[in-house]
Amino acid sequence: NAGVMQNPRHLVRRRGQEARLRCSPMKGHSHVYWYRQLPEEGLKFMVYLQKENIIDESGMPKERFSAEFPKEGPSILRIQQVVRGDSAAYFCASSPQFAAGQFFGPGTRLTVL
Amino acid sequence: SQQGEEDPQALSIQEGENATMNCSYKTSINNLQWYRQNSGRGLVHLILIRSNEREKHSGRLRVTLDTSKKSSSLLITASRAADTASYFCATDPNYTGANSKLTFGKGITLSVRP
Repeated sequence: NAGVMQNPRHLVRRRGQEARLRCSPMKGHSHVYWYRQLPEEGLKFMVYLQKENIIDESGMPKERFSAEFPKEGPSILRIQQVVRGDSAAYFCASSPQFAAGQFFGPGTRLTVL
Repeated sequence: SQQGEEDPQALSIQEGENATMNCSYKTSINNLQWYRQNSGRGLVHLILIRSNEREKHSGRLRVTLDTSKKSSSLLITASRAADTASYFCATDPNYTGANSKLTFGKGITLSVRP
């Protein structure tokens, strides 16, 4: 049973470009969470999704950031017009329905030049 | 201070010694989880303790939870150099049975000297 998969592992973008981060949850998991980790910091919650639904996006910036988890395919975190401050590690986690314990992917390290 | 705040911020011990890390939080929780993160890597789930539990063991790990003091401790016994990593506590406040977001502390950097 493969774990949570994220790609790409490393992403370099120039200011103003778009960044797309993908997350495939563990098999059988229908809940996906995105977190952001700045250097020397803990993880900060961004958004929680179930299939085709955003459940909680209270941690996501109102502008330039969006997330989706379509019926088919991976969850996507999209950052438009990236700025240097978006440079961070973005982690995805998944969990099965009605169970606690989130399983994390290896993260995508975004660097904005 | 923030929810899920660990102390100390950094801990350096000799291989074979025990490492104790503490976490305090502010609001009511459903469960508390400890994670390990090796440098530049993802998070590994270590152990989850529910609000109605006081102590839990997993191999060389022992976690305690005191909801009256809103604190938890993680004890690693007989530490090894491979235990060198950052350790985070994360709290889950949701009592409805559904999943919810975790709130992480800034982490503790543990260094185990060979």
